[in-house]
Amino acid sequence: GQNIDQPTEMTATEGAIVQINCTYQTSGFNGLFWYQQHAGEAPTFLSYNVLDGLEEKGRFSSFLSRSKGYSYLLLKELQMKDSASYLCAVWGLTGGGNKLTFGTGTQLKVEL
Amino acid sequence: ETGVTQTPRHLVMGMTNKKSLKCEQHLGHNAMYWYKQSAKKPLELMFVYSLEERVENNSVPSRFSPECPNSSHLFLHLHTLQPEDSALYLCASSQGFRQGTDTQYFGPGTRLTVL
Repeated sequence: GQNIDQPTEMTATEGAIVQINCTYQTSGFNGLFWYQQHAGEAPTFLSYNVLDGLEEKGRFSSFLSRSKGYSYLLLKELQMKDSASYLCAVWGLTGGGNKLTFGTGTQLKVEL
Repeated sequence: ETGVTQTPRHLVMGMTNKKSLKCEQHLGHNAMYWYKQSAKKPLELMFVYSLEERVENNSVPSRFSPECPNSSHLFLHLHTLQPEDSALYLCASSQGFRQGTDTQYFGPGTRLTVL
């Protein structure tokens, strides 16, 4: 099976930087995704990492260390609209097949 | 606009009702998914269809019955549900489903309340 851990809630200030961590345990790792989900809306794709290192995409960056089973999502120059839930999801082997397993999500609140 | 639409957006039903959720993807993808999202819990994968064939069923109760008539449409037929089935039901699609690079794109979901 797979196990994914991420903090339940975080609070940050507008204009600041926040790092959302995700740790995972899985066999047959085949990639890690970050999604953003605003309340009552669809999760939207943010990033995909399969190799170690940092992937940068505008204000958002995602880092992966496969040996440590660890990823983080870095949000810079925070804006109020970044208040949302951030979901970490891992492709891995479970129940005999490849599957995308989601964490419970980190609810980020951006304050003035 | 993610290219995946779902109807209805909200549904309230009694335990003896029969209803259906509909999902349509406009992305030319070959795989479609149903997920259940309950408060404080991770997204739970329910069903996966690839090229209109069901390839995964995650021990979902038989009161949930999926149907995939073609690669663009996916239905979830509901009957004799329980109050604990109240949740957000999300549909997603991806180009394939066996590769880690197959990014899944989600619809806005149907908020289901079972009375």
